[in-house]
Amino acid sequence: DTGVSQDPRHKITKRGQNVTFRCDPISEHNRLYWYRQTLGQGPEFLTYFQNEAQLEKSRLLSDRFSAERPKGSFSTLEIQRTEQGDSAMYLCASSFASGYEQYFGPGTRLTVT
Amino acid sequence: AQSVTQPDIHITVSEGASLELRCNYSYGATPYLFWYVQSPGQGLQLLLKYFSGDTLVQGIKGFEAEFKRSQSSFNLRKPSVHWSDAAEYFCAVAFVGNSGYALNFGKGTSLLVTP
Repeated sequence: DTGVSQDPRHKITKRGQNVTFRCDPISEHNRLYWYRQTLGQGPEFLTYFQNEAQLEKSRLLSDRFSAERPKGSFSTLEIQRTEQGDSAMYLCASSFASGYEQYFGPGTRLTVT
Repeated sequence: AQSVTQPDIHITVSEGASLELRCNYSYGATPYLFWYVQSPGQGLQLLLKYFSGDTLVQGIKGFEAEFKRSQSSFNLRKPSVHWSDAAEYFCAVAFVGNSGYALNFGKGTSLLVTP
């Protein structure tokens, strides 16, 4: 088991561009979570999937954000028309459906210039 | 509203000294409590967790935490700090409900270890 992986680790983009991040969870895990962490803050919940179903979205997830988990395995998080306020670390975590422990990936650091 | 408070933004400890990081929560039901550690530029690593039972829980790297329901606290402790413990520490609470145990994090405590 290689743990949760995320790609890319760093992304620099210009305001107005679209970006997409990928998360590969631990293979046996049913649940997959996305969080956003800004400088000096703890991570904030964005959305989660159980298998391929997106079951919850936070109010932080504006309509410029979309997440998918098409086959219940990896997930993508897309941000359209990026804004400078989107600059943050985007963290992915996974867990068993019956469990409470979440295992985090290394994150994707997004910088919007 | 549910909230997690870590009162100390920064803490400095001498290597070999003991450590206590504070965490208080506001939550309507019995929470599931966690401590995570984050090294610079890295994701979060789970140190320990409390779900039920014995209120003193042991974790990795020599850390322990004690759940005190009467004080709504879950403080993290280590008897002797090593220089490699310097990192950001986050307390988190799971809220059971529509969010499938999504975690609610405190703002973190940055630990500096001096020689």
